[in-house]
Amino acid sequence: SQQGEEDPQALSIQEGENATMNCSYKTSINNLQWYRQNSGRGLVHLILIRSNEREKHSGRLRVTLDTSKKSSSLLITASRAADTASYFCATVGNQFYFGTGTSLTVIP
Amino acid sequence: GAGVSQSPSNKVTEKGKDVELRCDPISGHTALYWYRQSLGQGLEFLIYFQGNSAPDKSGLPSDRFSAERTGGSVSTLTIQRTQQEDSAVYLCASSLLGDPGLGGETQYFGPGTRLLVL
Repeated sequence: SQQGEEDPQALSIQEGENATMNCSYKTSINNLQWYRQNSGRGLVHLILIRSNEREKHSGRLRVTLDTSKKSSSLLITASRAADTASYFCATVGNQFYFGTGTSLTVIP
Repeated sequence: GAGVSQSPSNKVTEKGKDVELRCDPISGHTALYWYRQSLGQGLEFLIYFQGNSAPDKSGLPSDRFSAERTGGSVSTLTIQRTQQEDSAVYLCASSLLGDPGLGGETQYFGPGTRLLVL
């Protein structure tokens, strides 16, 4: 069964707004990773946050991790139309587990 | 530089036929992973190769699925007697060290093979 679950399943926002996606998981992890997948393309790694970290930034991305709640959030600030894609969280323990993804649409 | 490549990009086959999917990892990457993504589902782990160690086959859904990695580089995923439920995108990924227990390694994914079983 899948380890990670993202919500919402779909999100539509206007260009310039912020987008927040959440991920919940079930067991202990070593780290959690967020990936982006554009239609017809392979997965692209965005950011990795280790289990002893609580927040991490990379450009317009901000990731938080709450291991007590077994949850993570990905915030994309000042969204652009090019950010339209599916976003997956992947939890890393003994294996990689991917969630079902959030489909983000940024309207120009 | 060259990334992970997979072939074919699309494969249409008839139920009951065998198919082979190929993955060329990034040169020097010791770990190779196969995943499957069915429509509307998350990624499903299939199998993991790390160096010369015995592969982790715990994710293979049935004995119709097998994979090998020759010379520690190219990998082939074989599905025998395909069924319609095998239709999915099959993704291959490679990483440099491949030991998630040490804190994880970034995986680099190929574009996938879209398999359709009629």
